[in-house]
Amino acid sequence: QVHLVESGGGEVQPGRSLRLSCAASGFTFSSYGMHWVRQAPGKGLEWVAVISNDGTNKYYADSVKGRFTISRDNSKNTLYLQMNSLRADDTAVYYCPKDTTASGGGHGMDVWGQGTTVTVSS
Amino acid sequence: EIVLTQSPATLSLSPGERATLSCRASQSVSSYLAWYQQKPGQAPRLLIYDASNRATGIPARFSGSGSGTDFTLTISSLEPEDFAVYYCQQRTNWPITFGQGTRLEVK
Repeated sequence: QVHLVESGGGEVQPGRSLRLSCAASGFTFSSYGMHWVRQAPGKGLEWVAVISNDGTNKYYADSVKGRFTISRDNSKNTLYLQMNSLRADDTAVYYCPKDTTASGGGHGMDVWGQGTTVTVSS
Repeated sequence: EIVLTQSPATLSLSPGERATLSCRASQSVSSYLAWYQQKPGQAPRLLIYDASNRATGIPARFSGSGSGTDFTLTISSLEPEDFAVYYCQQRTNWPITFGQGTRLEVK
């Protein structure tokens, strides 16, 4: 059974850092691109970042560029999001959906976890 | 960045009725458009990819159409479990963008 489990969320003060993890199971993790998508309370979906299957290609939303870093460890079937210089508007549920292709620019995001909540507040 | 505009913001219909949701892109996305359904407290679910292809396990009452800048998601006969928020998403250019969503509510 294909499964994604996000973790690492919590409450953090503005300016601090947090690292999210996404554990994958039930599919060949190293064959697919992976995304981070977030949803602020009561708002719509916002794409954050993508990484190709082998980690060589990464793209970011302008809102997080230079502050967030996406990475993956295919030996551990785990995706990461390092978030630095956090701001109040980074408060959201963070999801790590799987892409349908290796590059990450495929035919949609076909598997989603339940998300992990990040709250940035003083 | 490509902006996706969904309409209407809210659609009020009854079970059994036909739902038509629209997504318009600020520039052509060819057929690289997907649709997602999200219910309260749940993660989104992929319904349609590449404008008109149903994802695995999606009922036939869901269909997508369009190309270029104008796209439509149609639900032929609404079931009680279809009342949710629907998002379109493009993958033509980075950054990937989502529409703001259409809330489908029970009339």
